[in-house]
Amino acid sequence: QQQVKQSPQSLIVQKGGISIINCAYENTAFDYFPWYQQFPGKGPALLIAIRPDVSEKKEGRFTISFNKSAKQFSLHIMDSQPGDSATYFCAASSSGGSYIPTFGRGTSLIVHP
Amino acid sequence: SQTIHQWPATLVQPVGSPLSLECTVEGTSNPNLYWYRQAAGRGLQLLFYSVGIGQISSEVPQNLSASRPQDRQFILSSKKLLLSDSGFYLCAWSRQSYGYTFGSGTRLTVV
Repeated sequence: QQQVKQSPQSLIVQKGGISIINCAYENTAFDYFPWYQQFPGKGPALLIAIRPDVSEKKEGRFTISFNKSAKQFSLHIMDSQPGDSATYFCAASSSGGSYIPTFGRGTSLIVHP
Repeated sequence: SQTIHQWPATLVQPVGSPLSLECTVEGTSNPNLYWYRQAAGRGLQLLFYSVGIGQISSEVPQNLSASRPQDRQFILSSKKLLLSDSGFYLCAWSRQSYGYTFGSGTRLTVV
């Protein structure tokens, strides 16, 4: 059972455009929602994360929007750059468990120059 | 600062040969440690995790095993590799908090 559904599977945007990746979760016990960025041949790296007490978190060009009632959260990449081309994973975890996150299946983002 | 080391970076092994991948963490104590596998173009599959020395939990039954002989050392092993064991293996750690730090990964090709 996939508890975190991520879409789209792949995304192509032009340089300067906005990239949007969406995730939906089922477990209402989740209370931490990170996004990871993975470049080819490298391990994923924590990009940005949000807790459910806020609806939005912004770090530079990256913003997480969180909708607790809809059980959805999304990553927005403003002014997308070719260097943003990577695979992005959303995740969700619960402080009541072992902190092991449930990952989405990943989104391959390509930003054309 | 904390760092995680994973080696080797690439490995080509024949079917039926043994496997040993090592991961070490520096700059912290009593970390939670994890082994993930990522097939080409696929997501992250949790294989094993450990919350302390000698404590190993397996998420996926297979011919792989894990051990934690020291607080900051996590080893992934196999006695006899299968073709299906090929993939990108990632070690990660967390400190009873929420964020993961992943290693740089090992690309394993079983031939």
